[in-house]
Amino acid sequence: EAGVTQSPTHLIKTRGQQATLRCSPISGHTSVYWYQQALGLGLQFLLWYDEGEERNRGNFPPRFSGRQFPNYSSELNVNALELEDSALYLCASSSSEGTRETQYFGPGTRLLVL
Amino acid sequence: AQSVSQHNHHVILSEAASLELGCNYSYGGTVNLFWYVQYPGQHLQLLLKYFSGDPLVKGIKGFEAEFIKSKFSFNLRKPSVQWSDTAEYFCAVNKGNQGGKLIFGQGTELSVKP
Repeated sequence: EAGVTQSPTHLIKTRGQQATLRCSPISGHTSVYWYQQALGLGLQFLLWYDEGEERNRGNFPPRFSGRQFPNYSSELNVNALELEDSALYLCASSSSEGTRETQYFGPGTRLLVL
Repeated sequence: AQSVSQHNHHVILSEAASLELGCNYSYGGTVNLFWYVQYPGQHLQLLLKYFSGDPLVKGIKGFEAEFIKSKFSFNLRKPSVQWSDTAEYFCAVNKGNQGGKLIFGQGTELSVKP
């Protein structure tokens, strides 16, 4: 069974540009989560999508946004990039087993903002 | 707000030594608890999880964790570590009656000397 996949693996942008990161969940999973793993800040929750709807967002500015497509894949968009957005962005998927869900993580997209 | 604390930032052990990594969380309700591991160059993988029932949970690769509700703790243990256990270990929590976003600890880097 294929795991969570993310693209691209690496992304280099300059300040002010926009970045788009993509995630394909495990087959059968309907929930997608996005996390940011920045140096020194650990793993921080960004966004949660389930059945095409945004269910929750973390403490990030509105320039972090995303969406979930009918096939449950997801996109994370970061507008007006800032240097501190440089981080590993992790996507996780789960099968929405009510409250007993387990999140499985992809390899991440490493974003570097110059 | 929920938080997760991992007391040890970097642990260095020799092969065959016993391991215990601490994890405490601050949330008074029911919780789901997880340990993830990130081997060098690899993505986050689930080691073990606790939803309810027996507070002693066994995971992959000989790891186990004990949930002590009165201490708000979920410490990870392994009786005898191997060089291949060198990795970063993350404790994570979400609300037992909601699931959803994971709150991660800062991670513990484990180095095992051969």
